[in-house]
Amino acid sequence: DAGVTQSPTHLIKTRGQHVTLRCSPISGHKSVSWYQQVLGQGPQFIFQYYEKEERGRGNFPDRFSARQFPNYSSELNVNALLLGDSALYLCASSPDLLRGRLADTQYFGPGTRLTVL
Amino acid sequence: RKEVEQDPGPFNVPEGATVAFNCTYSNSASQSFFWYRQDCRKEPKLLMSVYSSGNEDGRFTAQLNRASQYISLLIRDSKLSDSATYLCVVNYFILTGGGNKLTFGTGTQLKVEL
Repeated sequence: DAGVTQSPTHLIKTRGQHVTLRCSPISGHKSVSWYQQVLGQGPQFIFQYYEKEERGRGNFPDRFSARQFPNYSSELNVNALLLGDSALYLCASSPDLLRGRLADTQYFGPGTRLTVL
Repeated sequence: RKEVEQDPGPFNVPEGATVAFNCTYSNSASQSFFWYRQDCRKEPKLLMSVYSSGNEDGRFTAQLNRASQYISLLIRDSKLSDSATYLCVVNYFILTGGGNKLTFGTGTQLKVEL
């Protein structure tokens, strides 16, 4: 079975531009989360979506937005890029509701490496 | 203070050695706990969940102490292939939205040498 897939794998942008990153969850998973990992740090939570609804948001500015589509794939959008947005952007998916809650186990895709010049 | 704290290492150990990693977390509302492994420039991969009763998977043993807010990972008989960064992860239930938020430590780097 295919795991979480993300596109593109690498991206180079300049300051002020906008970027869209894409993610497809594991087949059967309905929840997608986004994380940002800068060099030397652990991943930082950005968003979680389930059934097209936002279920959680981390401490990121409004330049960051996301959405989930009916097929459970997701997009992360970042506007007005800054040098500090250079990072590995990870998408993770979770199995369906477990005991009335989203399952806490998350499986990560290979990430999109964004470089802002 | 960071929500999840780990010694960044690196830990350089000979093949066959036993190595232990520790992690502390600050929020007692934490719901569940994990160790992830991350190879250089790759995505994190789930190594194991961590329970108060302790759990073992082959050469790996994980332990949680909720009273002390402390998590550990023990690797026995280290292999060259164990060289990676080990991330301590705490999950929080998001009350407002009903989601789950994973909070990661900065990771502990392990290098197993011949």
